[in-house]
Amino acid sequence: EVQLVQSGAEVRKPGESLKISCKGSGYSFTKYWVGWVRQMPGKGLEYMGIIYPGDSDTRYSPSFQGQVTISADESINTAYLQWSSLKASDTAMYYCAKSAIMSAAGPFDYWGQGTLVTVSS
Amino acid sequence: EIVMTQSPAALSLSAGDRATLSCRASQSVSSNLAWYQQKPGQAPRLLIYAVSTRATGIPARFSGSGSGTEFTLTISSLQSEDFAVYYCQQYNNWPPWTFGQGTKVEVK
Repeated sequence: EVQLVQSGAEVRKPGESLKISCKGSGYSFTKYWVGWVRQMPGKGLEYMGIIYPGDSDTRYSPSFQGQVTISADESINTAYLQWSSLKASDTAMYYCAKSAIMSAAGPFDYWGQGTLVTVSS
Repeated sequence: EIVMTQSPAALSLSAGDRATLSCRASQSVSSNLAWYQQKPGQAPRLLIYAVSTRATGIPARFSGSGSGTEFTLTISSLQSEDFAVYYCQQYNNWPPWTFGQGTKVEVK
């Protein structure tokens, strides 16, 4: 069974750093792109970026380039999303998701359960 | 960046009704168009990809059509579990793969 299991909810203060994770199982982790999607409270879905764990090729949406870092550790089938200095506007639910197409960045067929990040002083 | 525009923003219907949701792209996305369903408190679920291919386990009452810049998701007969928010997404032009703003299908 394909699963993406994300790390738990986080509460941080503005200016702090954070790294959240997404562990894949039930499929060949290195052969499918994994993406990150932001959903701010009461809002729609925003595509942040995507990584190919097999060679760590990473692409960012222009809106998120320089704001976050996406990485992966293929030895433990885990992708990461990290911030070096959080802002209150980073408060959102963050989803990881797996591309439906092997070796291609296509639609997402499996999603993690989401990680709620709250940034508040 | 390709802008995806969904209409209407909300649709008030009753169980058994036919739902027709639209998605327009600011430029051609060929056949690289997907639809997702999201219920409150849940992650999105892939319904349709490549315009009209249903994802695994998706009932036949969901269908997709269109090409180029105009796309439609049709739910032939709404069931109680179909009241949710629906998003279209293009995956033809990077950066990035963009989502529409969503259409909420609500109970009339």
